[in-house]
Amino acid sequence: EAQVTQNPRYLITVTGKKLTVTCSQNMNHEYMSWYRQDPGLGLRQIYYSMNVEVTDKGDVPEGYKVSRKEKRNFPLILESPSPNQTSLYFCASSLSLFDTEAFFGQGTRLTVV
Amino acid sequence: KNEVEQSPQNLTAQEGEFITINCSYSVGISALHWLQQHPGGGIVSLFMLSSGKKKHGRLIATINIQEKHSSLHITASHPRDSAVYICAVRGNFGNEKLTFGTGTRLTIIP
Repeated sequence: EAQVTQNPRYLITVTGKKLTVTCSQNMNHEYMSWYRQDPGLGLRQIYYSMNVEVTDKGDVPEGYKVSRKEKRNFPLILESPSPNQTSLYFCASSLSLFDTEAFFGQGTRLTVV
Repeated sequence: KNEVEQSPQNLTAQEGEFITINCSYSVGISALHWLQQHPGGGIVSLFMLSSGKKKHGRLIATINIQEKHSSLHITASHPRDSAVYICAVRGNFGNEKLTFGTGTRLTIIP
């Protein structure tokens, strides 16, 4: 089954404790991206990657890192999480930048206390 | 002023009604996306447009590049269409980030 898998689905952590949210797709997609969703602000793009070893900043990259060492995986790294990074995070992938259909992961609800 | 504005923010309609959701943007774009977010939170990609019109089932999306405006129409609306509909624009070559509208919450009453 074609899918984008995020882990974990839920995470509560403390300020400053490094964490990684994983994202994996099984469709050989070139384009992958990360978003956060906050009440009243909607979805905002954090980082995107158009292919292996190619990543670019979205609208809100501060406090986040990403890597794209292989096509299927695009982890989101929070080196020193802060409470303002409490949010709902989505990973997505598509065959290419201009492919009609994007596939979204189930979301990761992160709480930083 | 946000780069992407959606209207209305909330829309309640009776089953069977024709629905229109609007999206206006202020920047040059290479493409525009329409997404649907279900009450459970899952997100589904509906359309990607760079010009003209696309149709999928009861959903129709149009874009007018000159006017910087797109519409999403739902014909013969059904309670299962109740969701948040989100417009997103992709920047031009060299700046391909996505910028989102804040969404339109649609409720269809049986």
